[in-house]
Amino acid sequence: DGGITQSPKYLFRKEGQNVTLSCEQNLNHDAMYWYRQDPGQGLRLIYYSQIVNDFQKGDIAEGYSVSREKKESFPLTVTSAQKNPTAFYLCASALTSLGNEQFFGPGTRLTVL
Amino acid sequence: DAKTTQPNSMESNEEEPVHLPCNHSTISGTDYIHWYRQLPSQGPEYVIHGLTSNVNNRMASLAIAEDRKSSTLILHRATLRDAAVYYCILRDGTNYGGSQGNLIFGKGTKLSVKP
Repeated sequence: DGGITQSPKYLFRKEGQNVTLSCEQNLNHDAMYWYRQDPGQGLRLIYYSQIVNDFQKGDIAEGYSVSREKKESFPLTVTSAQKNPTAFYLCASALTSLGNEQFFGPGTRLTVL
Repeated sequence: DAKTTQPNSMESNEEEPVHLPCNHSTISGTDYIHWYRQLPSQGPEYVIHGLTSNVNNRMASLAIAEDRKSSTLILHRATLRDAAVYYCILRDGTNYGGSQGNLIFGKGTKLSVKP
């Protein structure tokens, strides 16, 4: 089945540690996105990538880093510089950044203790 | 960025139609109206989008006002599975390839469906 996967579903880390969230898609999509969602709020864009080996900062990129070495993969690293990392993280992909529909993964809920 | 205004919450009875409103008075001529929904603890899913004409698909209908300053998402027969947060989003159609094409999510409307 084609789709977009994120792992793990729940992640716990100690304060001060970097953590990398996985996002994989087998939809052959060029564009990929990372969003952050806080309780009762909408999604906010962290980073996006229109094509492999390229990515751009979104609205709240500080304290995060990404890479796009493969078309299928767009991992997000939450660094110790992120002041409030506890949140629900969602990855999405689209056929191209010109495409009409973004497909979302199931999300990773990160809790920093 | 063009903004949308939606009610915080709405209630519906199962098997009845639901009309979810969205105001976007500052919409530009090239903005598409997109709707996504998010079920609890899941990622959002695409529902429908349109530019000027009303649109129908298997999930819902989108009614767009003649002046395009408002739109309504219509669920023809609500089911318990339709309980979700519904987001109305404007997306610039002139430059999907740039940041203007990115989705900007507000808080949406939380729809509750009563059996």
